[in-house]
Amino acid sequence: ETGVTQTPRHLVMGMTNKKSLKCEQHLGHNAMYWYKQSAKKPLELMFVYNFKEQTENNSVPSRFSPECPNSSHLFLHLHTLQPEDSALYLCASSHALANTQYFGPGTRLTVL
Amino acid sequence: RKEVEQDPGPFNVPEGATVAFNCTYSNSASQSFFWYRQDCRKEPKLLMSVYSSGNEDGRFTAQLNRASQYISLLIRDSKLSDSATYLCVVNGMDTGNQFYFGTGTSLTVIP
Repeated sequence: ETGVTQTPRHLVMGMTNKKSLKCEQHLGHNAMYWYKQSAKKPLELMFVYNFKEQTENNSVPSRFSPECPNSSHLFLHLHTLQPEDSALYLCASSHALANTQYFGPGTRLTVL
Repeated sequence: RKEVEQDPGPFNVPEGATVAFNCTYSNSASQSFFWYRQDCRKEPKLLMSVYSSGNEDGRFTAQLNRASQYISLLIRDSKLSDSATYLCVVNGMDTGNQFYFGTGTSLTVIP
C-alpha cells in the first residue's frame, strides 16, 4: 500500500543535529496529522493541518517544527532533540477532520 | 482520567477461539468510534468503524454502548494472523475533532 508514505523509515541523530521527516499522501485528502508513539503509551497527537492550515498544536516543544506546503505533503523539522524524543513518528491523513485516518509506515527515530 | 482506556492484555488464545475486547471512553459527546489493528513495528490500520447499531465484518463484530460509554470488538474463529495489537479510537466533535487512541490490547493466537 502506498497511500501514505514517509521518509526516512529509520533515523538516528545526535542531540545537536537538524533533520526533517517527510510525509506524502496520495489519497486526495485534505487533513494531515503528526503523531508520536512511544513504548507502552497511546499515540500522542502532535499537529493537525486542514487545507494546509495548522489547526492543532498539542503543546509540542518548539524543537519540533511542522510545515505543510500543500495538502499532499507534511514535514516535521527536528532540531536539538532529547533522548526522550526517541519514538515512532507517524503521519496520517483523512478526507476531512472527523473522517477515518490512514497512517503512513512511520519513521523510527533514535536520538543519541 | 484517560480519554480512552483498554485492557492491555496480553490475551493468549488458541486458534479457533472467540475473544472479546472492551474499551471505555470518558467523553460522552464522542461521535465516532473505530478499531484499528497494529502489527509489531508497523503502522495502525483501520479494522472497522463502530456504528451505533453495531456492525459485523466477517469474523469481526463491533458494538457501541453509549449509555455505558464502551465499545467492544468480538473476534470469532481466531486465526494465527489475527495476532496483533488492537487499538480503540474515539473522536469527539467538541474536542476539535481530535482522535484519542487507547494504549491497545495485545492478542496472540496460539497454534
